[in-house]
Amino acid sequence: NAGVTQTPKFRILKIGQSMTLQCTQDMNHNYMYWYRQDPGMGLKLIYYSVGAGITDKGEVPNGYNVSRSTTEDFPLRLELAAPSQTSVYFCASSNPDRGNGYTFGSGTRLTVV
Amino acid sequence: QKEVEQDPGPLSVPEGAIVSLNCTYSNSAFQYFMWYRQYSRKGPELLMYTYSSGNKEDGRFTAQVDKSSKYISLFIRDSQPSDSATYLCAMEAGGGNKLTFGTGTQLKVEL
Repeated sequence: NAGVTQTPKFRILKIGQSMTLQCTQDMNHNYMYWYRQDPGMGLKLIYYSVGAGITDKGEVPNGYNVSRSTTEDFPLRLELAAPSQTSVYFCASSNPDRGNGYTFGSGTRLTVV
Repeated sequence: QKEVEQDPGPLSVPEGAIVSLNCTYSNSAFQYFMWYRQYSRKGPELLMYTYSSGNKEDGRFTAQVDKSSKYISLFIRDSQPSDSATYLCAMEAGGGNKLTFGTGTQLKVEL
């Protein structure tokens, strides 16, 4: 059971480039999330999804886009990378039974130069 | 004012000490309270989960919630070097499973 898998683990982008951060879960969770984590700032919610075909903005959505075509996959797209998007990105999933909390992936470290 | 406040530390304690980690919050709608542990360069993992006020114990870990004071705590007994990590509190009001996280407290347990 792999849980939540994120790729790539590391990436360096130039300003203005685009990329997609991949996230896949094999737990049949309906809910999926993208967070960014900056030093001293905690986890900030970027986008979330409550099921295939349904996405919604979180606290810091500007500069990002998502899609949810299947239950398993929830990719995060950066269209025009900016230095302010340098961060560690975490994907997570959960089911409506709150006692299980979130399952997080191992993260993607992104640097924009 | 942030919805959830957490002292970032770092907190350094000797092995075997009792550790107390705390968060305060301002949103009285929060009903579900969690603690996550995050090792360096890893994703957070769920450590403790509590609904509403009260205590919950799991091995060396005890979570306390005082909704009247808007204050939650995590106690670690007989702390070990393997407990060295960042501890994040998280809270949810309900209806959508969206969590609000604290900024995390960095803990180091020294031999």
